[in-house]
Amino acid sequence: NAGVMQNPRHLVRRRGQEARLRCSPMKGHSHVYWYRQLPEEGLKFMVYLQKENIIDESGMPKERFSAEFPKEGPSILRIQQVVRGDSAAYFCASSGGQRNIQYFGAGTRLSVL
Amino acid sequence: GQQLNQSPQSMFIQEGEDVSMNCTSSSIFNTWLWYKQDPGEGPVLLIALYKAGELTSNGRLTAQFGITRKDSFLNISASIPSDVGIYFCAGQLVVYSGGGADGLTFGKGTHLIIQP
Repeated sequence: NAGVMQNPRHLVRRRGQEARLRCSPMKGHSHVYWYRQLPEEGLKFMVYLQKENIIDESGMPKERFSAEFPKEGPSILRIQQVVRGDSAAYFCASSGGQRNIQYFGAGTRLSVL
Repeated sequence: GQQLNQSPQSMFIQEGEDVSMNCTSSSIFNTWLWYKQDPGEGPVLLIALYKAGELTSNGRLTAQFGITRKDSFLNISASIPSDVGIYFCAGQLVVYSGGGADGLTFGKGTHLIIQP
């Protein structure tokens, strides 16, 4: 049973480019969460999605950031016109079952030059 | 928003020693979770706590959900080299009846370093 899969593991972008981060949840999980982690910090919640719906985007920056979880395929976190401050590790988690425990992927490390 | 204060920030211990770390919150949570993160990897779940006062063990790890629902601690007994890493507490307030839950609030982590 594969865990949460994220790709790419590392992503380098120049300022102004777009970054697309992908997340495939664990088999049987229908809830996806995105978090951002800055160096020496804990993870910060960004957005919670179910298939085709955004449930809670209270942690998402209002501009340049968007997320989707289509009926088919992985969840996508999209950052438009990246800036140096977007450099961070981005983690995806998925949950399912009665307890809805969140299990994390290995993350995507975004570096903006 | 809710904030978690996790302490200590770092610990330097000898192999074989016991370790204790804790988290306190400005408001209540209904679920407390403890994760471990190794360099370059995502957090891995260690222990989940669901009821105030609950004490749960996982091998050499023991964690408790505080009675006030505003704190939790994690103990590691007889530390070994592979215990090195960053330990995070996380709190969760809401689990939705139809499935899913709100985002986790994380502490800033405790860096565990084992001296030879």
